[in-house]
Amino acid sequence: QLQLLESGPGLVKPSETLPLTCTVSGDSISSGSHYWGWIRQPPGKGLEWIGSINNRGTTYYNPSLESRVTISVDTSKNQFSLELTSMTAADTAVYFCVRDPIGSYPDYWGQGTLVAVSS
Amino acid sequence: EIVMTQSPATLSVSPGERATLSCRASQSVSSDLAWYQQKPGQAPRLLISGASTRATGIPARFSGSGSATDFTLTISSLQSEDFAVYYCQQYNNWHSFGQGTKLEIK
Repeated sequence: QLQLLESGPGLVKPSETLPLTCTVSGDSISSGSHYWGWIRQPPGKGLEWIGSINNRGTTYYNPSLESRVTISVDTSKNQFSLELTSMTAADTAVYFCVRDPIGSYPDYWGQGTLVAVSS
Repeated sequence: EIVMTQSPATLSVSPGERATLSCRASQSVSSDLAWYQQKPGQAPRLLISGASTRATGIPARFSGSGSATDFTLTISSLQSEDFAVYYCQQYNNWHSFGQGTKLEIK
């Protein structure tokens, strides 16, 4: 059974960088069959795709966030990570990691992790 | 960027009645359209993919239709567990989501 688990700080200060990691079990990122991505949801609001990466490190980002986002992959640990710079209150959200099959919809979701931005 | 617009924002329906939710894309997404149900504190749950194909385990009262820019999710006879927020999502050009329709008990 495929599982994804997000980890990282629950609180970040304004202007700092958010680091999140997603650990995958039950599938191998190295297999190359899929992309792996991040989606976020501010409290009480809708869903926003952040970006996705494959096992070779090829990335695609939401144009609205591209200047602040870096997604990376560590196939040896079966993990992928998100860095979001210059955090503001508007970045307060639940961050989900997902399996993102090529040309398809995200078919597995992590439980999500709430990140608050506050001094 | 493809913009997805859902209507209405809130829909009030009585249990046992039919609910019809709409989703419009700013440009054609072919049939690359998914519908999700989300309840508080949970990740979205896939209901429909390919505009009209129910996901595994999804009851037959959920149906999807449409193509290109206009899509509909219909719930034929609302059960208590169906009251939630519903999102459409296009995956024709990466991903973008509608803003959601909250289905509430009338």
